[in-house]
Amino acid sequence: QVQLVQSGAEVKKPGASVKVSCQASGYTFTGYWMHWVRQAPGQGLEWMGWINPKSGDTNIAQKFQGRVTMTSDTSSRTLYMELNRLTSDDTAVYYCGREELVSRPFDPWGQGTLVYVSS
Amino acid sequence: DIQMTQSPSSLSASVGDRVTITCRASQSISTYLNWYQQKVGKAPKLLIYGASNLQSGVPSRFSGGGSGTDFTLTISGLQPEDFATYHCQQSYSTPITFGGGTRVEIK
Repeated sequence: QVQLVQSGAEVKKPGASVKVSCQASGYTFTGYWMHWVRQAPGQGLEWMGWINPKSGDTNIAQKFQGRVTMTSDTSSRTLYMELNRLTSDDTAVYYCGREELVSRPFDPWGQGTLVYVSS
Repeated sequence: DIQMTQSPSSLSASVGDRVTITCRASQSISTYLNWYQQKVGKAPKLLIYGASNLQSGVPSRFSGGGSGTDFTLTISGLQPEDFATYHCQQSYSTPITFGGGTRVEIK
């Protein structure tokens, strides 16, 4: 079955970087775009951007431009999202979600990766 | 950016109740509207896509409707496992945006 498995929780200091991974299985890896979404504690869902795993093309939300890098490794079927210059406001659960071909919803989602930023 | 306004932000209901959540887009998004259910500590789960299409495996008590700017999610006969937070999302254009969420609690 289609499955997205993300890397484990991270604790980072302000100013540091974090790289979250999302390993895909059960489908043609290069056939679907992948999105990244985050959710701060007690807050709603915030879209960060998408990556085309085949071409490596990305579309990063304006808020994160210059601070987020999304990459794809087709050999390991793994997507990565790196966020730089972390602040406490970046404390959140980060999700990857596969974009479906019809109507473009996200399904499935990874289990989420908690990134905690604290000095 | 397309703003998504979801209401109510929370509601209390009893098992067996019919519940309706609304989502309004700041501009027309055709039927590029999706609904997700999220339980505490879990990832969102797709319920409805394309405004009214039930995702495979989702119980038929969930239904969606609307087009353009106004959309609804209805749960007909609330079950104990339906107590969760529900999010709408527009996939019409980037940046993708979500509603603020509706928390469905037990009365």
